Amino acid sequence: SQQGEEDPQALSIQEGENATMNCSYKTSINNLQWYRQNSGRGLVHLILIRSNEREKHSGRLRVTLDTSKKSSSLLITASRAADTASYFCATDAGGNEKLTFGTGTRLTIIP
Amino acid sequence: DTEVTQTPKHLVMGMTNKKSLKCEQHMGHRAMYWYKQKAKKPPELMFVYSYEKLSINESVPSRFSPECPNSSLLNLHLHALQPEDSALYLCASSLSYNYEQFFGPGTRLTVL
Repeated sequence: SQQGEEDPQALSIQEGENATMNCSYKTSINNLQWYRQNSGRGLVHLILIRSNEREKHSGRLRVTLDTSKKSSSLLITASRAADTASYFCATDAGGNEKLTFGTGTRLTIIP
Repeated sequence: DTEVTQTPKHLVMGMTNKKSLKCEQHMGHRAMYWYKQKAKKPPELMFVYSYEKLSINESVPSRFSPECPNSSLLNLHLHALQPEDSALYLCASSLSYNYEQFFGPGTRLTVL
């Protein structure tokens, strides 16, 4: 069963705008990761945030983690057409050896 | 080399065929994974190998048989598959658990 639910399921924004997507999970975690997948291809790791961290930045990406609410958000600033992809959160809540992916958000950047 | 390679890119097979998917990494990662992904769905874990030993089998049907010949290679042997097994099969590796996973480009499998 899926650990994470992502919101929204799909998001379309104009190039240059910021995109925010949210992930909620059900049980306690050690870390939460975000991945990007371009259409029908392999996943690319974006960022990992540990349970004792509240915020992390990487380039135009900002991830927050609220363990009390069991939720995380991914913010992409100044979006570009190349950011068009599906974005998945993933947690290790199923056990250290397992990564369980959320339902994903399909992001479309309109040039 | 920070790449995970998978072959073949595409595979079409009949329900009576036997085929194998291959995955390779040269990053010194000790954990390797097989995932199955259906269209518009998230990847679902199938198997985890840790230090070349199978550590997780997510109740995958026996028509899928994983093999880890050495620390760089991971195979998935396929036999008597069903049309519903058609999917994108992704291989990944990581330094260990709780580290980022590096994914290959996947094998698009079609079972006729």
